[in-house]
Amino acid sequence: DQQVKQNSPSLSVQEGRISILNCDYTNSMFDYFLWYKKYPAEGPTFLISISSIKDKNEDGRFTVFLNKSAKHLSLHIVPSQPGDSAVYFCAAGFSGTYKYIFGTGTRLKVLA
Amino acid sequence: DAGVTQSPTHLIKTRGQQVTLRCSPISGHKSVSWYQQVLGQGPQFIFQYYEKEERGRGNFPDRFSARQFPNYSSELNVNALLLGDSALYLCASSRGESSLYFGPGTRLTVT
Repeated sequence: DQQVKQNSPSLSVQEGRISILNCDYTNSMFDYFLWYKKYPAEGPTFLISISSIKDKNEDGRFTVFLNKSAKHLSLHIVPSQPGDSAVYFCAAGFSGTYKYIFGTGTRLKVLA
Repeated sequence: DAGVTQSPTHLIKTRGQQVTLRCSPISGHKSVSWYQQVLGQGPQFIFQYYEKEERGRGNFPDRFSARQFPNYSSELNVNALLLGDSALYLCASSRGESSLYFGPGTRLTVT
């Protein structure tokens, strides 16, 4: 049973436009969420996190939105750049445990 | 500051053999977690250690074991390797907040 789902395996966006990556989860007790990007042959790079007590967190071009009632989170990248082309993973877990459930990833391609 | 380091980068083993993977956390980070990532999937939690104590274990067989040393570095051991153990093994460290910082991983191939 996949507790964290990223239903879009891939996404293509024009440079300068907004990229929206989505993630759904099933366990309403999850209280901490992370987003990572991963380039081939590298480990995942931490992007941004959000606690369940918030519904939005921003860091530069990256914004994460959390909708607890829908058990849905999304990552917005504005403006998208070609260097953002990578696989993006969302993860959900319980704060302080470091045991996270990851989605299967969405491959983002930003077209120049 | 240096990030999380892992060794070796790549490893090829034969079924039935044993393997040890090593990880050094970011300076000042006392927690180390291990994850397994197979092709096409997200990372899957194996272990978490904090101050040399096991704080969490994922759904992996007893062939998988780990330990953390006084300098907070860690080793992951896998015995009796199976073909299905072929994966990218990721180590992540944390300093106390809930975010994980991953190393580059060790690519294990079992033949």
